[in-house]
Amino acid sequence: KAGVTQTPRYLIKTRGQQVTLSCSPISGHRSVSWYQQTPGQGLQFLFEYFSETQRNKGNFPGRFSGRQFSNSRSEMNVSTLELGDSALYLCASSASSGGRNEQFFGPGTRLTVL
Amino acid sequence: AQSVAQPEDQVNVAEGNPLTVKCTYSVSGNPYLFWYVQYPNRGLQFLLKYITGDNLVKGSYGFEAEFNKSQTSFHLKKPSALVSDSALYFCAVRDVSGNNRLAFGKGNQVVVIP
Repeated sequence: KAGVTQTPRYLIKTRGQQVTLSCSPISGHRSVSWYQQTPGQGLQFLFEYFSETQRNKGNFPGRFSGRQFSNSRSEMNVSTLELGDSALYLCASSASSGGRNEQFFGPGTRLTVL
Repeated sequence: AQSVAQPEDQVNVAEGNPLTVKCTYSVSGNPYLFWYVQYPNRGLQFLLKYITGDNLVKGSYGFEAEFNKSQTSFHLKKPSALVSDSALYFCAVRDVSGNNRLAFGKGNQVVVIP
């Protein structure tokens, strides 16, 4: 099976712009979670989607949003970008939500905000 | 709220020596525990998990971890470290509440010295 794929791998934006990141989960996986990784804050949970519904949301401002499509692919959007949004954004997929399955991570999208 | 502590920033070990990376957790109820490894410019790679059953869990690449409920610990171990094991290691926990929200530790940089 192909792994989790994320596009694009690298992005450079300027403050105030918005950005959309995409994640394709492993075939058959219905849960997609997003995490932000920064040197200062480490890995932080953004949100999880399962069967097109948001299951859980982390402590991030409303500028961070997401959605999931019927084929389980997910997108994450960040509006009005700030310098502090520069980070590696990781997507993870799992066969179920809340079960015993582990999550498999994609390679990430490196976002740089100038 | 669930949380993980990885007390050491960096673990240095000579090649061929045993490797231990420490992790303690806090969660309400029973935990699901995971170890992931991250190589430079890559996503997280799953190593092993504890869900229930035997306290000693065996995973990929010769790694194992021991669950200790009384000490709320889940230390990662490898009997004989390789130079290629040099990477960033993350411990993560989630509760059994029914979603995939993972709480990660800050990570431990492991350096295996030839």
